[in-house]
Amino acid sequence: GEDVEQSLFLSVREGDSSVINCTYTDSSSTYLYWYKQEPGAGLQLLTYIFSNMDMKQDQRLTVLLNKKDKHLSLRIADTQTGDSAIYFCAEGNTGFQKLVFGTGTRLLVSP
Amino acid sequence: DAGVTQSPTHLIKTRGQQVTLRCSPKSGHDTVSWYQQALGQGPQFIFQYYEEEERQRGNFPDRFSGHQFPNYSSELNVNALLLGDSALYLCASSPRGQVYGYTFGSGTRLTVV
Repeated sequence: GEDVEQSLFLSVREGDSSVINCTYTDSSSTYLYWYKQEPGAGLQLLTYIFSNMDMKQDQRLTVLLNKKDKHLSLRIADTQTGDSAIYFCAEGNTGFQKLVFGTGTRLLVSP
Repeated sequence: DAGVTQSPTHLIKTRGQQVTLRCSPKSGHDTVSWYQQALGQGPQFIFQYYEEEERQRGNFPDRFSGHQFPNYSSELNVNALLLGDSALYLCASSPRGQVYGYTFGSGTRLTVV
C-alpha cells in the first residue's frame, strides 16, 4: 500500500541548515514532492524530484533521494524565520495523478 | 494570472446538513482534484475530475460527490454531514497528465457543529 511518514517537529536557529526527512512505501512512485503550508494557507509546491534522480538543487533547497531505502530528504540552507511552516512530503504516480501526503513536519526557526 | 480559487473560505454547518464547495482552476488547467485535510494531518485524496467525469476516487464514502463543469470549474458536495467532516478542503488543478503541475487553492475551512 501507499504510506508516507515524516517526523513531526524540527526546531533550528536562524542561519542553520534544516533537514527534513521522509520515508515512503510505494516503489512505483514516479515523482516525489515537497510542499510548504503556512498557517491558514493552502499548499505551495517547493520542489519535486523524479524517481530516477538522486539529487536536485534549487537555490537554498536540496532534495536527496535514496530509492533503495525509499528515503527522501529536504535540506534548507541558511534557514530564515520566514521558513517556519509545515512541510509535507508527497509521492505521486504519472498514471494516476493523485498525491499521497505524509503527516507533515512542523519547522520552527528561532532568531 | 489567477491561481486556483476556492469559495467560500470558511463555512459552519450543522450535523446532517449538506454542503457545496466550489473551485475554479488555474487558467490553462483542465483537471481538478479535491483533498481533505483534517487538523494536524496531511491532505487525503478525495477524487479527481477530468472532462466532466470522476476519474479516480480515494477512500471516501458516497456522501462525498462532485461535479465538473464545461469551463473546468468544479464542486464538491458532502451530504449528511458528520462532525468528522470538519476539515480544510483543498482543490488542486493541473494540466492533464502533469502530476508535477499541481496548483493548490487556499482551501475552504468547513466546521461541522
